[in-house]
Amino acid sequence: QKEVEQDPGPLSVPEGAIVSLNCTYSNSAFQYFMWYRQYSRKGPELLMYTYSSGNKEDGRFTAQVDKSSKYISLFIRDSQPSDSATYLCAPTTLGRLYFGRGTQLTVWP
Amino acid sequence: DADVTQTPRNRITKTGKRIMLECSQTKGHDRMYWYRQDPGLGLRLIYYSFDVKDINKGEISDGYSVSRQAQAKFSLSLESAIPNQTALYFCATSDSTSGESDTQYFGPGTRLTVL
Repeated sequence: QKEVEQDPGPLSVPEGAIVSLNCTYSNSAFQYFMWYRQYSRKGPELLMYTYSSGNKEDGRFTAQVDKSSKYISLFIRDSQPSDSATYLCAPTTLGRLYFGRGTQLTVWP
Repeated sequence: DADVTQTPRNRITKTGKRIMLECSQTKGHDRMYWYRQDPGLGLRLIYYSFDVKDINKGEISDGYSVSRQAQAKFSLSLESAIPNQTALYFCATSDSTSGESDTQYFGPGTRLTVL
């Protein structure tokens, strides 16, 4: 079993929809919880991250971590076609990232 | 110019050939990483280096070797390439001295095909 589980999708939503992307993990040592976004034929780029449990908001994006249930979420409000990409959760410990499989998201106009 | 560069960007080779993928960075970061990405499997860590004298195996190091020639350069070698090493390879860097030492910055990737 992978340390980080993420539903690969694909997920297809209309423009303006609220998107919820989720991961679960098993390692209690994870400290930071990263979300990377990867456009087709590009390298992953850091979208945002949280430290410990709680929420963090950045524009239309909200990252949420519940360490008690080992659950990581990313919410996208008012989704746009430009949000179409693969989203990868990646908790970290001791300088290493542990990636989920990534969820492929398509937002259609 | 890109902060993390990878060469070549695309490579087709034959089974049994030795191949080297190179990564260079101008970010001044001390930590460097090599990952491979396969459809449906996410990114898996091959090797990582926290400084020039430090090399560590990741989760899938078999069949690969690395060299950290300088702080800015980290090369990945396939001594005898096999078809199941066909994948997209990414180099990444991070800065242990920053307040965000776990943040990694990725290169554009090398698409490798082994026939």
